This record gives sequence, C-alpha cells and structure tokens, in this order.
Amino acid sequence: EAQVTQNPRYLITVTGKKLTVTCSQNMNHEYMSWYRQDPGLGLRQIYYSMNVEVTDKGDVPEGYKVSRKEKRNFPLILESPSPNQTSLYFCASSLSYRGGANEKLFFGSGTQLSVL
Amino acid sequence: TQLLEQSPQFLSIQEGENLTVYCNSSSVFSSLQWYRQEPGEGPVLLVTVVTGGEVKKLKRLTFQFGDARKDSSLHITAAQPGDTGLYLCAGLDNYGQNFVFGPGTRLSVLP
Repeated sequence: EAQVTQNPRYLITVTGKKLTVTCSQNMNHEYMSWYRQDPGLGLRQIYYSMNVEVTDKGDVPEGYKVSRKEKRNFPLILESPSPNQTSLYFCASSLSYRGGANEKLFFGSGTQLSVL
Repeated sequence: TQLLEQSPQFLSIQEGENLTVYCNSSSVFSSLQWYRQEPGEGPVLLVTVVTGGEVKKLKRLTFQFGDARKDSSLHITAAQPGDTGLYLCAGLDNYGQNFVFGPGTRLSVLP
C-alpha cells in the first residue's frame, strides 16, 4: 500500500531534550516536506527536499533540522525543543515538484508534539 | 511570499443544505488544489485545477478556478455529515517548487 509513515504518533517531551520524528515513504517520490499545523494558521512549511542530499528552508525553519540521506526517509530533528514548538506535524511527499495537474501531496497521519 | 486566504473560517450547516467556500490570493498560482482533512489524519487531495476558468465536478462537489488564477471556490450540494472536515486550498508557487496552504475552512454538517 502506498503510504507516508510518521513516527511517533504522539510525543510528550521536556524543553531542551533532543528528539527526532521519522518519516518514510514507499512510493519512490522525489519531493518530501515537513509542515506544522497550528489552529488558525493552517499548514506552514518547515523544510523541504527535492531529492537526496537536497534540502531547503520553508517558511518556519528556526529550531528544526532535516536530512535526506536516502530517497525514502526524511527525518525531522529538534535539537533543543521549546514550548513554542508544540504543534501537530505532518510529513508529505510528492512524485516530483515540477507542478501541473499530476502533482499531489501524500500526507502522513501526523505527529502531535507537546514540549513542556 | 504568496499567501492564500480562505473564507469562511468556520461553517456549521444542516444536512441537505448547499454551501460555498472560498480561497483567495493577490498572487497568481500555476495550479490550485483542494484537500480535505479529517480529525486525526493528514489532508487528502480532492482535486487539482490548472486552467483559469476551469470547473471540475466530483460527485456533489464543484470546484472552480478563477479566470485570473488567483482564486478558487468549492461548492457542495446537499451536504452530508460525511462532508464534515477541514477544507484546505493549496497553490503551487511561481517557482513550481512548493505548495502554499491556506488556513482552511472547518465545515460541520449536522444530521
């Protein structure tokens, strides 16, 4: 089954304790992206990757890191989490990023992160 | 930065009613997409519109892309409780690299 898998689904942590949220897709997609979703603000892009070893900042990258060593995996790293990073996080992938009617984003089920 | 606005922010209607939600921008987008998100899940694509003036129908849902490719609307006929969810519009930016999302319209259809 074609899917984007995120783990964990829920995570409660404390300020300053490094954490990683994993994301994996089994569709051989080139493009992957991380979003955070906050009430009234919609989905805001954190980082994206157009292919292996190619990553770039989105709209809200501060406090986050990513890596794309393999095509299928795109982990999100919070080196020193803070309470303002409490949010619902989504990983998404797309076959490519060249636009047009055939492009669509496939989303994972989300990770609800609480930083105390 | 290209921005998308959506209205209304919240909508609560009775089963069987019709409704329209809007997605607007001051920027031109090469394409616009509509996603529906249900609680506890990620957004799922409903439709992509590419050509200015384009109209697409998906059962009881009708999507329209504005002539100038700056806005879009979603019309639902005879809404059902299963239509309840968060409706998000997303536009592909002018560089063709990233999807910009609107804040969403939260629809509740009461039986």
